[in-house]
Amino acid sequence: AQKVTQAQTEISVVEKEDVTLDCVYETRDTTYYLFWYKQPPSGELVFLIRRNSFDEQNEISGRYSWNFQKSTSSFNFTITASQVVDSAVYFCALYSGNTPLVFGKGTRLSVIA
Amino acid sequence: EAQVTQNPRYLITVTGKKLTVTCSQNMNHEYMSWYRQDPGLGLRQIYYSMNVEVTDKGDVPEGYKVSRKEKRNFPLILESPSPNQTSLYFCASSLIQGERAGELFFGEGSRLTVL
Repeated sequence: AQKVTQAQTEISVVEKEDVTLDCVYETRDTTYYLFWYKQPPSGELVFLIRRNSFDEQNEISGRYSWNFQKSTSSFNFTITASQVVDSAVYFCALYSGNTPLVFGKGTRLSVIA
Repeated sequence: EAQVTQNPRYLITVTGKKLTVTCSQNMNHEYMSWYRQDPGLGLRQIYYSMNVEVTDKGDVPEGYKVSRKEKRNFPLILESPSPNQTSLYFCASSLIQGERAGELFFGEGSRLTVL
C-alpha cells in the first residue's frame, strides 16, 4: 500500500532561518511520482514540484530546494531564509499510476517576523 | 485558462436537506477526485474517478455519492447531510499519463456547514 508520512505536524521558525520539512514515503512500485503542495492561509492548494522516481537530482527553485533520496524513501523540502509569506500548510504526496494520489497529513509552518 | 471550478464556494444547510457540489474542469483530465479537509486530519479522499462512468471509493465515502457522466464534470452529492459532514471540500483533476501525470489541479474549495 502507498503511504506518505510527514512526521512534523507543526514547525515554527523565526524569519530568515532555514527550515526543512520531512517527507517519507512507502511504495512497492518502481515508477512513481512525488509532489509537494502548499496551502497558504487563504486556503487554496498550490502545486510546488513534481519528481519522478528515476530522477534523483536535487532541485532548487529560488529559496526552495528539494532533496530526493530513494535509499531512505525521502523527499524533503527546504526553505532557505524563510519569510512570513512562507507560512502555510505543506503537503507531500505520492502517485504511482496504479492507485490514486496519496497525501501526507501536512506540516503547518509558521514563520514569525 | 486551465481551471477546476467548484460551486458553491460557501454553503450553510440543515441536516437532511440534499445538496450537490458541482465540479468542472476544462483540461480534458481523465482523473477527478473529491477530498475533504478537517483540522488535524489533512486531506482525505472521498471518491475518485479514473474516467467517464468509472468511480471508486476513497478513504471516507460514507454519506456521499458521485457520478461521472461527462469527462469534465464530477459532482459530489450529499443525499442526507449530517453535521459531521461540515468540512472544507476540494475537487481536483489530473492527467493519468504523460509528463504531468498525477499533478493535481485543485478547485478553490467549498466550505460546507451542516446545522
